[in-house]
Amino acid sequence: AQKVTQAQTEISVVEKEDVTLDCVYETRDTTYYLFWYKQPPSGELVFLIRRNSFDEQNEISGRYSWNFQKSTSSFNFTITASQVVDSAVYFCALISWGSNYKLTFGKGTLLTVNP
Amino acid sequence: ETGVTQTPRHLVMGMTNKKSLKCEQHLGHNAMYWYKQSAKKPLELMFVYSLEERVENNSVPSRFSPECPNSSHLFLHLHTLQPEDSALYLCASSQDMGGGQETQYFGPGTRLLVL
Repeated sequence: AQKVTQAQTEISVVEKEDVTLDCVYETRDTTYYLFWYKQPPSGELVFLIRRNSFDEQNEISGRYSWNFQKSTSSFNFTITASQVVDSAVYFCALISWGSNYKLTFGKGTLLTVNP
Repeated sequence: ETGVTQTPRHLVMGMTNKKSLKCEQHLGHNAMYWYKQSAKKPLELMFVYSLEERVENNSVPSRFSPECPNSSHLFLHLHTLQPEDSALYLCASSQDMGGGQETQYFGPGTRLLVL
């Protein structure tokens, strides 16, 4: 069975702190794609990043960075110098193709950045 | 025009009503999706269409009926809903369902309240 676990339900930090959101996944397929989405209070999910299972390079985009480690089945997301506008629910997701298409979202982590 | 639009943004309906949710994508994508997001539950994938053909139906009650008349439009017809169907309904689209084109872009959602 395919699974995505975001163990942190809620995180609260003070502005300018660094924060890491954890994502652990399970799949039996060798080809898969991992995603992070941000859902601000307005409700629309905003795509942040996509990684395929053959590319373990970490990525940095401004204050955002992602650490993909197949050995631990993790795809963690770090926000450096957090800002109030980073407050949102963040979802990790997994798409895989084995015998059929499978898509699984984690339950999300609510990040609150306080001024 | 924004990428994925949904109408209406808010809907209140009685259990005996019939209503439809509309989703339109302006991205030239071939795949479209309906999700349900309830409070304290993970995102649930309801329906997937690729090139106007239904690909996935995750055991959704028959009171939800999707329709995809062309690759740019997706409807969700609602009939005799229950109060527990109250949720945020999100539409998404992707270029394709595989080949590195799976990244989904979401609309703002329709917040549905069933009385």
